[in-house]
Formats: sequence, C-alpha cells, structure tokens
Amino acid sequence: QKEVEQDPGPLSVPEGAIVSLNCTYSNSAFQYFMWYRQYSRKGPELLMYTYSSGNKEDGRFTAQVDKSSKYISLFIRDSQPSDSATYLCAVPYNQGGKLIFGQGTELSVKP
Amino acid sequence: EAGVVQSPRYKIIEKKQPVAFWCNPISGHNTLYWYRQNLGQGPELLIRYENEEAVDDSQLPKDRFSAERLKGVDSTLKIQPAELGDSAVYLCASSSVLGVNTEAFFGQGTRLTVV
Repeated sequence: QKEVEQDPGPLSVPEGAIVSLNCTYSNSAFQYFMWYRQYSRKGPELLMYTYSSGNKEDGRFTAQVDKSSKYISLFIRDSQPSDSATYLCAVPYNQGGKLIFGQGTELSVKP
Repeated sequence: EAGVVQSPRYKIIEKKQPVAFWCNPISGHNTLYWYRQNLGQGPELLIRYENEEAVDDSQLPKDRFSAERLKGVDSTLKIQPAELGDSAVYLCASSSVLGVNTEAFFGQGTRLTVV
C-alpha cells in the first residue's frame, strides 16, 4: 500500500461546478497535509496546507482533513477554466526533508 | 525574484548515452531537492542537499545516477548510461529552511525521453 493514494481521474466538470478532490494516507503520525497544483508542462506549486484535522479556507478553495479516517479533501467552489490542472496531495515526511505525493488528479473545467 | 531555474527543458537521447540536468535554486535557499515524476504519477524524491551535503540519497539509483552541488548553490544531476525506463520529468526544488510546513518551490522540470 502506498503511503498516500489519490484517484488519478481524469475529472471533467462544467464551469461553476463544485469540485471535490480526495486522498487517503496510511500513516496516522502524519500531521501536515499539502495540496500542490501543477499546470501542464510546469512544476508543482503549493496551493494550501493544513495541520491536523479540520478545515482551512482560502478564497474558492477549502482543504479538509479527517484524521479518524485518514482522508484529505480539496474542494473548489465556482470552478473556472483556469483551475484546469493536476492537483497533487502531499505529506511532508522526515521533518519536511521529503514530500510524499499522491498520484495526482487531472482536472478539466469546461467553459 | 527569479524562481528555480532548470535546463534544458527537454532532452531526447538514445539509450546508453549520458545526460546531465542543471538546476539553479532560489537565491538564499539552502535546501535543494531532485525529484523524478513519471507519467501520470506524483514526484518522488531522488536526493536532497543541505548546502553542499547530500543528506538523503536513499532513493537515488547510484549505479547510474550521480549528483553534485558544488559551493552549495547550483546542482547537476547526471545519468550514465541512460535506460528506457529513465524517461520522466526531472524536477528540481528548493526551500529556505527545513520544516514540515516549509514550502518547496519547484522549477519547470526537464522532460527526458530515452529512445
């Protein structure tokens, strides 16, 4: 079992839809959780990070962690074509010395 | 401020040939990472440097891969000889300090195709 697993998609939604992206993780010791966004032919960029359980909101994006079920979610409200990208969940490991990434979910938002 | 710069952007080589990738991290960033991203997968760490010291190279295939970070700034990753399975995007990243909530800034990557 991989330490971080993510549904690879692809996921296609119409503009304005609410998008839900999900990951599961295996190690209950993980405390920080990150979401990176990767546009085609670009490197990943940090979108949000959360600590422990609960929600964190940033504009149209909400990150949610459920430690009891080892489940991480990213919600995108009012999705835009510019949100079309691959979304990667990641967990910092070894005091941040390494990021363990999920496989990434490819999202396409159609106008 | 300039981000992480990598070159070349694309490289096509024949198997058994050598290849090298170059990375210039963000100025002042002591930590430098090389990740490999296979098609449809998330990046996986190959090696991490703290200044000029390689502190985690456990995932680097040392029989054919080598890396260096002279003077603790630029870094070079080399493959010799390349194999078909080495086709991937090689990403360089840097961060200012080591920490669980420290952002790693990624370059655009070098897309390697081995034919």
